[in-house]
Amino acid sequence: DQQVKQNSPSLSVQEGRISILNCDYTNSMFDYFLWYKKYPAEGPTFLISISSIKDKNEDGRFTVFLNKSAKHLSLHIVPSQPGDSAVYFCAASGGTDKLIFGTGTRLQVFP
Amino acid sequence: DADVTQTPRNRITKTGKRIMLECSQTKGHDRMYWYRQDPGLGLRLIYYSFDVKDINKGEISDGYSVSRQAQAKFSLSLESAIPNQTALYFCATAPGSGDIQYFGAGTRLSVL
Repeated sequence: DQQVKQNSPSLSVQEGRISILNCDYTNSMFDYFLWYKKYPAEGPTFLISISSIKDKNEDGRFTVFLNKSAKHLSLHIVPSQPGDSAVYFCAASGGTDKLIFGTGTRLQVFP
Repeated sequence: DADVTQTPRNRITKTGKRIMLECSQTKGHDRMYWYRQDPGLGLRLIYYSFDVKDINKGEISDGYSVSRQAQAKFSLSLESAIPNQTALYFCATAPGSGDIQYFGAGTRLSVL
């Protein structure tokens, strides 16, 4: 039973445009959500997070939106750059000290 | 130097062999985790440890065992490797509950 779902395995965006990566979850007990970025031959690195008491968190070009009623979060990257090309994982936790990861979305930013 | 170091980075082994993957950290974190990544399945938790005396099973612990030798070291063992354990393995650390996890660069394991 996949509690955290990333339904788009891949996304291709032109440099300078907006990238929107989506994530859905099923467990209403989740109260903290994170996005990780992974380059080939490297481990995942933390990108941005959001608590369930907020609906938006922004850090430079990256913004995460949380819609609790829809159990949906999204990561917006504006403007997209070629260096953003990577696999993005969303993850969620809910008082269990464990992270539940989605399956990942591969973002390709082309010139 | 990396804060979370995994060795080896790559390993090829044969079915039935015992193999150990090692993880060490210089971050001073109490919590350590082992995940495996498979195509289309994301990262799945194998085992986790909140301190030297605390070991917990994750969602896919069958066929694996762990040892927390010290706060800084957390090893994952495959007692008798099988081909479906071929995967990318990651170690992660965290300072406390609900905190961001920091990952090592991974170990690519192939079981023939």
